[in-house]
Amino acid sequence: DIVMTQSPDSLAVSLGERATINCKSSQSVLSSSTNRNYLAWYQQKPGQPPKLLIYWASTRESGVPDRFSGSGSGTDFTLTISSLQAEDVAIYYCQQYYNLPLTFGGGTKVEIK
Amino acid sequence: QVQLQESGPGLVKPSETLSLTCTISGGSISFYYWTWIRQPPGKGLEWIGYIYYSGTTNYNPSLKSRVTISVDTSKNQFSLKLSSVTAADTAVYYCARHEDYSHYFDPWGQGTLVTVSS
Repeated sequence: DIVMTQSPDSLAVSLGERATINCKSSQSVLSSSTNRNYLAWYQQKPGQPPKLLIYWASTRESGVPDRFSGSGSGTDFTLTISSLQAEDVAIYYCQQYYNLPLTFGGGTKVEIK
Repeated sequence: QVQLQESGPGLVKPSETLSLTCTISGGSISFYYWTWIRQPPGKGLEWIGYIYYSGTTNYNPSLKSRVTISVDTSKNQFSLKLSSVTAADTAVYYCARHEDYSHYFDPWGQGTLVTVSS
């Protein structure tokens, strides 16, 4: 199985400041045939299902604010919230879809400082 | 806009079989993959398995011996059965959709809490 490790477990950021979440995979999720990274990011607010934010490591889902961005390749990935808003308080998960079984990171909780 | 809704008993006794159904509205079950994911209270996400509309399945090896996912295209539904449940199977169970070439999940159902307790 590909193990997804997120860091930090939690972070507190002031409103308007940048939040950075890291995700590391135990093996590369970059396909040599498609040149794509099989990595997605989700946001989960309390009592709600996860919401897809980013796929192919850096493609923003339709309707997702442009303050959310994804970057990285191979085994190391980052989700950045450029200017934290109150509504961004949530737990964020990465997920690899390069190999079965499909696996998620443990989550990063983002709070307001 | 496609919507998914999970349904089934919220309480299951230990050693019995958990059964849930996901009903798809606003779109067809055809030509997509349909997945079950669970989340124990306060914990992370675990992929259980998926089914293609044609009936092809793939399960997480950690649960494979106890899981069956089936599809009923006439009802636009797919279902999960998890046998021999224990308290460790207590979780919110989500259904979700994904595509052939990209197994990321969108949309998701709202989820249903299943508690395993006598």
